[in-house]
Amino acid sequence: EIVMTQSPATLSVSPGERATLSCRASRSVSSNLAWYQQRVGQPPRLLIYSASTRASGVPARFSGSGSGTDFTLTISGLQSEDFAVYYCQQYNYWPMYTFGQGTKLEIK
Amino acid sequence: QVQLHESGPGLVKPSETLSLTCTVSGGSVSSATSYWSWIRQPPGQGLEWIAYVFYSGSTNFSPSLQSRVTISADTSKNQFSLNLSSVTAADTAVYYCARLNSGYFFDLWGQGTLVTVSS
Repeated sequence: EIVMTQSPATLSVSPGERATLSCRASRSVSSNLAWYQQRVGQPPRLLIYSASTRASGVPARFSGSGSGTDFTLTISGLQSEDFAVYYCQQYNYWPMYTFGQGTKLEIK
Repeated sequence: QVQLHESGPGLVKPSETLSLTCTVSGGSVSSATSYWSWIRQPPGQGLEWIAYVFYSGSTNFSPSLQSRVTISADTSKNQFSLNLSSVTAADTAVYYCARLNSGYFFDLWGQGTLVTVSS
């Protein structure tokens, strides 16, 4: 079983600043990683796939990087609507899909 | 644009079967690049993939739930459905239907429906 570990569990950042979220896989997932944003009371929304490709309509302030076991989601110039929970998900071992436990991005 | 909408009972008794349906609007369940999935999220917790179905009838399941899950697609109604048998309180969650793009990532989600398992 592949385990996705996100850190930190909670990240406090001021609006306008940059947030850096991490996701680590227990073994290599190549670049087969996606990131999702979940606002309170909403379903998850796809942000990034293939580790670094923004999904349609996602602002350029969201960027993804990494390959293998270590991945990063960076959000530059944080806006109020960006404070949410973020999940990573591997699909390298499809048809098994594993999510990380999430990082809560909160206002500092 | 394509939209997904879950429907089904919000309350299920322990040991019974949870049954949910997802209606696809603005698109087709018969899409060659779409795998139709169910994902759940217990209150205050993370996301767990349950299963997917392809319009042809091909299916795949999470190993932890496989023994209790059935999933099917009805192309005539443009719907797909989930059955989870022998439920317990641990199955209480928001259940989402989602589109799995080419079998890789979930690019479209329903709003979710809360299912509570309680007597």
